[in-house]
Amino acid sequence: GAGVSQSPRYKVTKRGQDVTLRCDPISSHATLYWYQQALGQGPEFLTYFNYEAQPDKSGLPSDRFSAERPEGSISTLTIQRTEQRDSAMYRCASSPGTSGDTQYFGPGTRLTVL
Amino acid sequence: SQKIEQNSEALNIQEGKTATLTCNYTNYSPAYLQWYRQDPGRGPVFLLLIRENEKEKRKERLKVTFDTTLKQSLFHITASQPADSATYLCASPGGGYNKLIFGAGTRLAVHP
Repeated sequence: GAGVSQSPRYKVTKRGQDVTLRCDPISSHATLYWYQQALGQGPEFLTYFNYEAQPDKSGLPSDRFSAERPEGSISTLTIQRTEQRDSAMYRCASSPGTSGDTQYFGPGTRLTVL
Repeated sequence: SQKIEQNSEALNIQEGKTATLTCNYTNYSPAYLQWYRQDPGRGPVFLLLIRENEKEKRKERLKVTFDTTLKQSLFHITASQPADSATYLCASPGGGYNKLIFGAGTRLAVHP
């Protein structure tokens, strides 16, 4: 596609519900990243995929967070039993190579947990 | 722990002047640094990458330096324009070549 897309753009949920966020990277990009960005802060690394492999998930805040990229293209980030502190902008990025490339960011999903 | 620090105070400058933004890193030696621009409500957009063996990199009105002794990168915008007003983020790999650590960003406001 022309750029990285994310859906939904906005998600409001109640505490305790599960949410799934979706990322469509630039087609043929090998690497896909998930970040969490608080207002006034830079993006904070959550996890990344090289194709369908997930070499690093050290940034996921707890085991309630999980991500998948089963066919090496589209990815989902799932947050189970959401808590108010999960409210943030969740950004996806992709890069063409597998190491140390320019990252192309999507518009983000604004998650609000009530 | 590995850390990147950027001046959290907004930088206000007059149109036509050179804007200089600072990025300092501590407790590690990154192989490269990247600079991104972020406009309100949008995702970061890549601007420049500079590697540890490069002292300086230029792209149009942008210039980035990398001083491994001072553990610092400077980002310059010459002949600044109001359209350059945005938040500028510094990032580097930390704990893995694909694990980027971002600074909090510096907001630049260029006044006509």
